[in-house]
Amino acid sequence: IAGITQAPTSQILAAGRRMTLRCTQDMRHNAMYWYRQDLGLGLRLIHYSNTAGTTGKGEVPDGYSVSRANTDDFPLTLASAVPSQTSVYFCASSADGNQPQHFGDGTRLSIL
Amino acid sequence: QKEVEQDPGPLSVPEGAIVSLNCTYSNSAFQYFMWYRQYSRKGPELLMYTYSSGNKEDGRFTAQVDKSSKYISLFIRDSQPSDSATYLCAMSLFYNQGGKLIFGQGTELSVKP
Repeated sequence: IAGITQAPTSQILAAGRRMTLRCTQDMRHNAMYWYRQDLGLGLRLIHYSNTAGTTGKGEVPDGYSVSRANTDDFPLTLASAVPSQTSVYFCASSADGNQPQHFGDGTRLSIL
Repeated sequence: QKEVEQDPGPLSVPEGAIVSLNCTYSNSAFQYFMWYRQYSRKGPELLMYTYSSGNKEDGRFTAQVDKSSKYISLFIRDSQPSDSATYLCAMSLFYNQGGKLIFGQGTELSVKP
């Protein structure tokens, strides 16, 4: 079944540790996105990529980095995790920047 | 003031009721409007997608966009317990690149049997 796969589904992490959240899509979509979802704040864009080899900053990029080496994969890295990064992280993709976005089922991350 | 405002609810209705979910927005440049449904511990799932003003119907769901009032609505007819979820509105500008979505906070809906 075509879609977006995120891994891990959940993780508990000590503060200061490095963590990479994985996202893979098999729809050959050009654009990919990372969001975090927090109670009362909704979904907020962290980073995006319009096409392989390019990335851009969203609304809340600090403390996160991304890379887009190929069309299918868009990993999100927390270089040194802090408790305020406790959240549910969603990866999404779209055919291009003006098409609807399709979401994975998220990674639930707790930073202690 | 947030760019997109959505009543977080929770909203509880009996089975079979007509449900109205709404969002207001402040940026008149928004061109694309979407409604997503999100079940507990799942990712948002696209329900409806419209461009500019007007109505769009899909089964029991109708999406309305009124750009003059900066107001969008989602109507659910003959609501079912399986419609119980959080509904998120989202919108975006007409971009040549980087169609970043702005989301409402989401409205939690509960349909009671």
